[in-house]
Amino acid sequence: EVQLLESGGGLVQPGRSLRLSCTTSGFTFGDYAMSWFRQAPGKGLEWIGFTRSTAYGETTEYAASVEGRFSISRDDSKSIAYLQMNSLKTEDTAIYYCTRDLAGNYASSRYWGPGTLVTVSS
Amino acid sequence: EIVLTQSPGTLSLSPGERATLSCRASQTISSNYLAWYQQKVGQAPRLLIFGASSRATGIPDRFSGSGSGTDFTLTISRLEPEDLAMYYCQQYGRSPRTFGQGTKVEIK
Repeated sequence: EVQLLESGGGLVQPGRSLRLSCTTSGFTFGDYAMSWFRQAPGKGLEWIGFTRSTAYGETTEYAASVEGRFSISRDDSKSIAYLQMNSLKTEDTAIYYCTRDLAGNYASSRYWGPGTLVTVSS
Repeated sequence: EIVLTQSPGTLSLSPGERATLSCRASQTISSNYLAWYQQKVGQAPRLLIFGASSRATGIPDRFSGSGSGTDFTLTISRLEPEDLAMYYCQQYGRSPRTFGQGTKVEIK
């Protein structure tokens, strides 16, 4: 059974950093792209970025809204994906979801974690 | 950036009725890389349809997707009470991946 679980969310002050983890099981982690999304309170879904599978060099792409502040990485030996968030702003307050995509490159998000809440406030 | 526009904003129907949700793209979506997600209150989204018309594993066959190019449709053939949710379309063929603003399906 495929499982994903985000962790590392919480309350953080503007300008500070936070790292989210997405711990997975039930599949060969390196074979799939991993993506991150977020959803601000009462709002729609926003794509943050993704890391391609090992076969595609584990390269990354990001939304313009987070480019240069957020970075995605992966540890295939531990089956964990990470979202490093720096210079956080109040508008980054959201539930953050990680997903396992259907394939190693451009693909839809087949499995979702339950999400972790990040609140950026002084 | 590909902008996706969903309509209607809200759909209120009775159980057993047919629901038709629309998603229109500002540019042609390559290889029909269009997905539909269902999100119930307090839950993570769930993939329903990928590749415009392929049902994800475990999705009931009352959900179907169609369309190509810039116009796509999600059809729920016979509404069930548990279909109460927000439905989002998403294009994933080009970065940034973008979502429509969602259609809320209400059950009368």
